[in-house]
Amino acid sequence: QKEVEQNSGPLSVPEGAIASLNCTYSDRGSQSFFWYRQYSGKSPELIMSIYSNGDKEDGRFTAQLNKASQYVSLLIRDSQPSDSATYLCAVSRSNDYKLSFGAGTTVTVRA
Amino acid sequence: DVKVTQSSRYLVKRTGEKVFLECVQDMDHENMFWYRQDPGLGLRLIYFSYDVKMKEKGDIPEGYSVSREKKERFSLILESASTNQTSMYLCASSFASGVTSTDTQYFGPGTRLTVL
Repeated sequence: QKEVEQNSGPLSVPEGAIASLNCTYSDRGSQSFFWYRQYSGKSPELIMSIYSNGDKEDGRFTAQLNKASQYVSLLIRDSQPSDSATYLCAVSRSNDYKLSFGAGTTVTVRA
Repeated sequence: DVKVTQSSRYLVKRTGEKVFLECVQDMDHENMFWYRQDPGLGLRLIYFSYDVKMKEKGDIPEGYSVSREKKERFSLILESASTNQTSMYLCASSFASGVTSTDTQYFGPGTRLTVL
């Protein structure tokens, strides 16, 4: 079982819709969770970090964390063509320098 | 803004050559990391360093070594390049982790290495 698993994708959504990305992790000791966006040919850039159960909103992005069920999700509201990218979920244990990454979900927003 | 730079965007080397990839960060981060990224396999950690002259193996260290002589600089070395090391190499840096949380990693632009 992979440490971090994401929807295989690709995920295609119409402009203005909500894109929903899911990520599950196997290590119950995980405490820090990150979503990165990676455009084709570019390096990952942080969208959001979340450390506590519940929702965290930042603009059109909402991260949801449920440690009991070991999943973290990312919602993109009012999706725009500029949101077309691969989204990487990353997870870390407390007091650990290292991140474990999922393979990523590719999102395409149709104009 | 955090800035992580890598010495080359594209690099072409021959099998058996010694290859140096350099990474520099300007945010006084304690931690630095080297990853490789391959289609379908995601990001895999090669080595990381939590202090000058300190290094730890990641998930796939075979065929690689690293050097960190200064806090801001972290080098990845391929002692004898092989075709299966053709990949995108990404450097990242972060502050030292807190007791209950891991700090964000910031990535450089990447080096696409091709070994012929």
